[in-house]
Amino acid sequence: DSGVTQTPKHLITATGQRVTLRCSPRSGDLSVYWYQQSLDQGLQFLIQYYNGEERAKGNILERFSAQQFPDLHSELNLSSLELGDSALYFCASSPTGAGRLTQYFGPGTRLLVL
Amino acid sequence: AQSVTQPDIHITVSEGASLELRCNYSYGATPYLFWYVQSPGQGLQLLLKYFSGDTLVQGIKGFEAEFKRSQSSFNLRKPSVHWSDAAEYFCAVGTTSGTYKYIFGTGTRLKVLA
Repeated sequence: DSGVTQTPKHLITATGQRVTLRCSPRSGDLSVYWYQQSLDQGLQFLIQYYNGEERAKGNILERFSAQQFPDLHSELNLSSLELGDSALYFCASSPTGAGRLTQYFGPGTRLLVL
Repeated sequence: AQSVTQPDIHITVSEGASLELRCNYSYGATPYLFWYVQSPGQGLQLLLKYFSGDTLVQGIKGFEAEFKRSQSSFNLRKPSVHWSDAAEYFCAVGTTSGTYKYIFGTGTRLKVLA
């Protein structure tokens, strides 16, 4: 158990809908990262937040957005969902200082868009 | 461009046999290297990491990896595989180009024969 939690574990929805994925980082970790794992794209970095502020963006679609709240939990919002958005979405967290180089992953949320 | 290559998509070994999973990276600076394991339906668990120093690093579950700068490789090894090692293994490089983030390889799926 990495200490990173994600809810829900599974999500089934329809095209055009909007969903919210939630992540709670390890206690004390200020950085949260979101990754998408799909069969055709592999593991792709989406976005990073640090202490409530966006730090970096990767291959994140404009239909997707994220935020990190004062209690450091983070939410990834996916809207106007398409079939191709079906994937496993991981959240990871890392501490500050030298420890920031290592990311600890949650169990993921499996999204199925029908 | 920075990249990580795992040349073997699938590997099958017999229980008790030795294992080597290959990982090659392309990165201009000193890389921060990681191996993660993903069991079916699970998140990514950190096996080991290399930042500097001794090029042979020990990890959890009896795994080790050797950093070879001349070959741009970070291969994962285990002397005797157990059936519970069946999983998907991901090599990643932590890149400090811009904001720190991971670039993952495409993964190697390990099957263990009884």
